[in-house]
Amino acid sequence: DIRLTQSPSSLSASVGDRVTITCRASQTIGSSLNWYQQKPGKAPKLLIFAASNLQIGVPSRFSGSGSGTDFTLTITNLQPEDFATYHCQQSSTLPWTFGQGTKVDIK
Amino acid sequence: EVQLVESGGGLVQPGGSLRLSCAASGFTLSSYSLSWVRQAPGKGLEWVAYVSGTSTTIHYADSVRGRFTISRDNAKNSLYLQMNTLRAEDTAVYYCARDVDYYENSGLFYYFDYWGQGTLVTVST
Repeated sequence: DIRLTQSPSSLSASVGDRVTITCRASQTIGSSLNWYQQKPGKAPKLLIFAASNLQIGVPSRFSGSGSGTDFTLTITNLQPEDFATYHCQQSSTLPWTFGQGTKVDIK
Repeated sequence: EVQLVESGGGLVQPGGSLRLSCAASGFTLSSYSLSWVRQAPGKGLEWVAYVSGTSTTIHYADSVRGRFTISRDNAKNSLYLQMNTLRAEDTAVYYCARDVDYYENSGLFYYFDYWGQGTLVTVST
C-alpha cells in the first residue's frame, strides 16, 4: 500500500497567516493527490483534486502543488473558518490511502 | 443539491453483523461510482470499499475483504454495506462518498467530491 505522511501533525497559526502543509508519498503517484478539510463532527470536504485543481466553491486562498512524491497544501490569509484538520489522499493505486491528518488550530 | 445520507449504525457485539445504507439524491446514481470510507475515533480516514456505477467493478480494503460486502440499488438510489464478523477495530464513523473520474491531459484522476454525514458503528460487549 502507498503510505502518505503529512507534516506537521499539528500547527498553531493566527488569522491572516500563511500556512503550508506537506504530504509525502512512499512511492511516486504522479498528480493523483487530493486534499480534504474536516471540522469536528463533520464529514470531510474536498478542497483540491489532482494535486492542484481547486474544487468549485472553495476559496482561492487554498492552493495545492506538487507531483511525484511531494505535495503541498497552502492556505494564504488564514481565516477563522479554516481552523480544522486537513487530510491528503492518493488515488493512484488501490487501496486508496489517506495521510494521518494535520490539525490547524488557533495560536 | 447532491445529498448522501447514511443510516444503520449502532452498537453490535463482536462477531455480529450490521447493514449500513446510504440514500442518495440530487444526481443520477448510476453515473457515479461510490465508496465507503471510515474513521475510527480520534484517528485518520480509511477507505473501505468501492463499487462502480453498474456494480461491474468492486474493490475492498484488505482489512475488510471477506467480511464486508458493498452493493448498490440504482433504482432505489441507495448504497449498502453489509458488515459481518465485526471486530472491535471496525468501530468507526462510516461515510459514503461519491467518486468522480476526472480526465485531464496528464491522465485520469479520482476523488471524492461529496460525502454523507456519517453513521457510527460501535463494536463492543
